[in-house]
Amino acid sequence: DTAVSQTPKYLVTQMGNDKSIKCEQNLGHDTMYWYKQDSKKFLKIMFSYNNKELIINETVPNRFSPKSPDKAHLNLHINSLELGDSAVYFCASSQDEGTYEQYFGPGTRLTVT
Amino acid sequence: AQSVTQLGSHVSVSEGALVLLRCNYSSSVPPYLFWYVQYPNQGLQLLLKYTSAATLVKGINGFEAEFKKSETSFHLTKPSAHMSDAAEYFCAVSGPERASKIIFGSGTRLSIRP
Repeated sequence: DTAVSQTPKYLVTQMGNDKSIKCEQNLGHDTMYWYKQDSKKFLKIMFSYNNKELIINETVPNRFSPKSPDKAHLNLHINSLELGDSAVYFCASSQDEGTYEQYFGPGTRLTVT
Repeated sequence: AQSVTQLGSHVSVSEGALVLLRCNYSSSVPPYLFWYVQYPNQGLQLLLKYTSAATLVKGINGFEAEFKKSETSFHLTKPSAHMSDAAEYFCAVSGPERASKIIFGSGTRLSIRP
C-alpha cells in the first residue's frame, strides 16, 4: 500500500538519450510535484500540478516535460539527456497546494554517462 | 521572496545528548515552516510544521521546534538523541497563498556517536 511510488528506482543512460520517470500516488491528493536533488543534497522544485493543471514551472530546461494523465499520476520526460541531469528526482504529492504536508516518493537516481 | 539558511552542514552528537539543528528563515509574508527528515536512500518525511498556530510545535520521534519571529528562527531540538536519528534534516519555508512553493534549506546531516 505504497503512498507515492516512482519507477524506476535507478536509471543509467547515455548522453543524448530520452527517458521517462513515472510517479503514482494512491492518497487521493490533488497536487503532485517533481523535485531534483543534486549531489550536495540540495533539493529544488521543478514542477507542480494541481488536478492536472500546471501550477509551478520553475526555470528548468525545456528538455524536461511533465505530463499528468490524471491527478494520481505525474510523469517526467527528459529529452536529450546531459551529464548535468544526473541527480535524484523525487515525486511528491499533497492534499492541496502550498502549506499542506507533502508526501515524497522514494526517489529515482538518474545517472547520465 | 523566501529562503531558509541551515547553520551547519554536519552536526555530530553523542547518543543521549541534546540535538539542536539550526534554521533561520527570510520571508516577506507570514511564513509556514517545516522540518523534513531524509533517511539514507529514502524520500523526505515530514517531522513537524508551523502554520501560525502555537509557536512551539511538536513532531514525530520526539522532535520539536520553536518559531521565534524576533529571531527569524525555527530551530529543531530533541532532548535525547537516539542512534536511529542519524539522517539528513531539511528546514523549509513556504507562504500561505495558493501555489506557494516550498523552499528547502541545504540540509544538515546528523550523526550520532555511540
